[in-house]
Amino acid sequence: GENVEQHPSTLSVQEGDSAVIKCTYSDSASNYFPWYKQELGKRPQLIIDIRSNVGEKKDQRIAVTLNKTAKHFSLHITETQPEDSAVYFCAASRSNDYKLSFGAGTTVTVRA
Amino acid sequence: NAGVTQTPKFQVLKTGQSMTLQCAQDMNHNSMYWYRQDPGMGLRLIYYSASEGTTDKGEVPNGYNVSRLNKREFSLRLESAAPSQTSVYFCASGPYEQYFGPGTRLTVT
Repeated sequence: GENVEQHPSTLSVQEGDSAVIKCTYSDSASNYFPWYKQELGKRPQLIIDIRSNVGEKKDQRIAVTLNKTAKHFSLHITETQPEDSAVYFCAASRSNDYKLSFGAGTTVTVRA
Repeated sequence: NAGVTQTPKFQVLKTGQSMTLQCAQDMNHNSMYWYRQDPGMGLRLIYYSASEGTTDKGEVPNGYNVSRLNKREFSLRLESAAPSQTSVYFCASGPYEQYFGPGTRLTVT
């Protein structure tokens, strides 16, 4: 099955700086890569996703890049704010079964 | 439009007891999923249902059973709870963009 590794496990940044989280996947047939944000005690919520026919996608302060050859994808958060503090999860799936395999998560802390 | 709902929110069981976690969605999604979340391990798929009438095992199915009652509802049953099943359980519906329920925090003593 798919194996998704996520780094780093914790990330502390100064407010206004950028944060980058990286994930690698093992299954070359995976073609859908979402990112979820989970605040303490809350449910995971989708913040951005990318499909394998696209190399980069941006939505305001967040962007995701995908390198299919190297089998890795990254989340970039610019101009971080205190409300960006949360756990972020990457995931991967194939289009034929929609089963998501998640990374272990990155705890992001934005220091004021 | 409630999205994905789950009951109960919290539950404490003794080892060997059984219980059913309920999940319902009103987004007309075909696919539904059950995950467990443990510290440092992300979300792991227990079972999923690609459409009404079908279910399949995920990564960690042992000790669980599921029922896809209709298109809206997907339940998870623990027949004989064990301390290793202490976790937070999330239901989700999809397919691609999965929407999660609020979770059930289960403790087995």
